Amino acid sequence: NAGVTQTPKFQVLKTGQSMTLQCAQDMNHNSMYWYRQDPGMGLRLIYYSASEGTTDKGEVPNGYNVSRLNKREFSLRLESAAPSQTSVYFCASSENSLPQNTEAFFGQGTRLTVV
Amino acid sequence: QKEVEQNSGPLSVPEGAIASLNCTYSDRGSQSFFWYRQYSGKSPELIMSIYSNGDKEDGRFTAQLNKASQYVSLLIRDSQPSDSATYLCAVSSGNTPLVFGKGTRLSVIA
Repeated sequence: NAGVTQTPKFQVLKTGQSMTLQCAQDMNHNSMYWYRQDPGMGLRLIYYSASEGTTDKGEVPNGYNVSRLNKREFSLRLESAAPSQTSVYFCASSENSLPQNTEAFFGQGTRLTVV
Repeated sequence: QKEVEQNSGPLSVPEGAIASLNCTYSDRGSQSFFWYRQYSGKSPELIMSIYSNGDKEDGRFTAQLNKASQYVSLLIRDSQPSDSATYLCAVSSGNTPLVFGKGTRLSVIA
């Protein structure tokens, strides 16, 4: 049972380059999320998709775009990478059945360095 | 801005002792509360979820929720060196995304 799978695990980019982080879940979850984690800052929400066909901004969306390709896949794109985007990126998913949110399951993370 | 506050630690406890981790949150409408454990270089993994006031026990772990005080805690009994990690508190209102605290580093000394 794979759960949430992210690719790549590590990436080094030069300033100004673009890239897409891929995420797929096999748990038939409705909601998917992208977080970034920086030392001393905790997990901060970049974008999320409450259900297939919808996306919404989180706390730190600037410099990022997302695509909910289908129910399984949610990608995060950096159009022009900046050193401030050096971070560990986590994709997560949850069943998200009302009235209460359910727990989120995390992928293994992508460690991105922008030089 | 919904906020979740945790003491960053490090919290050091001797092996076999009880570790007590605390979390406060700002949104009175919060309904779902979670504790995650994160080892260095790894992804967060769920330890406990709690939705109602009171205590919820699972093995050596007990989550406590007090919505009136906007406070949630995690007790770890018989702490082991393998419990040394960062513990993240997460809170959600209805079906909104989880908001995380910055985490508390726990160190269990053998």
